[in-house]
Amino acid sequence: EAGVAQSPRYKIIEKRQSVAFWCNPISGHATLYWYQQILGQGPKLLIQFQNNGVVDDSQLPKDRFSAERLKGVDSTLKIQPAKLEDSAVYLCASSPYAAGNTGELFFGEGSRLTVL
Amino acid sequence: AQKITQTQPGMFVQEKEAVTLDCTYDTSDQSYGLFWYKQPSSGEMIFLIYQGSYDEQNATEGRYSLNFQKARKSTNLVISASQLGDSAMYFCAPSEEAAGNKLTFGGGTRVLVKP
Repeated sequence: EAGVAQSPRYKIIEKRQSVAFWCNPISGHATLYWYQQILGQGPKLLIQFQNNGVVDDSQLPKDRFSAERLKGVDSTLKIQPAKLEDSAVYLCASSPYAAGNTGELFFGEGSRLTVL
Repeated sequence: AQKITQTQPGMFVQEKEAVTLDCTYDTSDQSYGLFWYKQPSSGEMIFLIYQGSYDEQNATEGRYSLNFQKARKSTNLVISASQLGDSAMYFCAPSEEAAGNKLTFGGGTRVLVKP
């Protein structure tokens, strides 16, 4: 079974530029998450989808971050304009469990963003 | 949001020995789960083991076992017979029913296994 796919693996941009990350979850997984992991810290949830609907985006900085999952499969996370403090690894995870049910998440390898 | 504390930022362990990683969490929820994840240098988060707050037995999964102390809001992950491939970051992640069972991660503990 293929795992969670993310791209690009690495991205370097200058502040005020924009960037987009793509995630393809495990086939059949209805729930998808984006986490931000700053160096030396644990991952922090940015947004949770179930199918193509947003379940929780309370920690997403909506002035610069946006995310969508239009057909309930792939998802894109965009940052525009980027700030220095956005330098982090962006982890995508999926789960076969419906939102609100407990169960492990399956993570991709992450997209490492460096903002100069 | 709950507070999760992993007090050991880094630990060395000799190959084939056991290592114990600590995690405490602050929750008022009676129904919750505790997940542990491993993150090697490749960056991927790998699920290791799960304990439900109402589980009567401590969870075990191969070389991984949990010591769950519900009254103290504490859990310890024990990795027995350490291998070089166990060198990684380890994260404790409670999920509270009241918060929709979303995982909240602690700051992690780095383990380095010495040959």
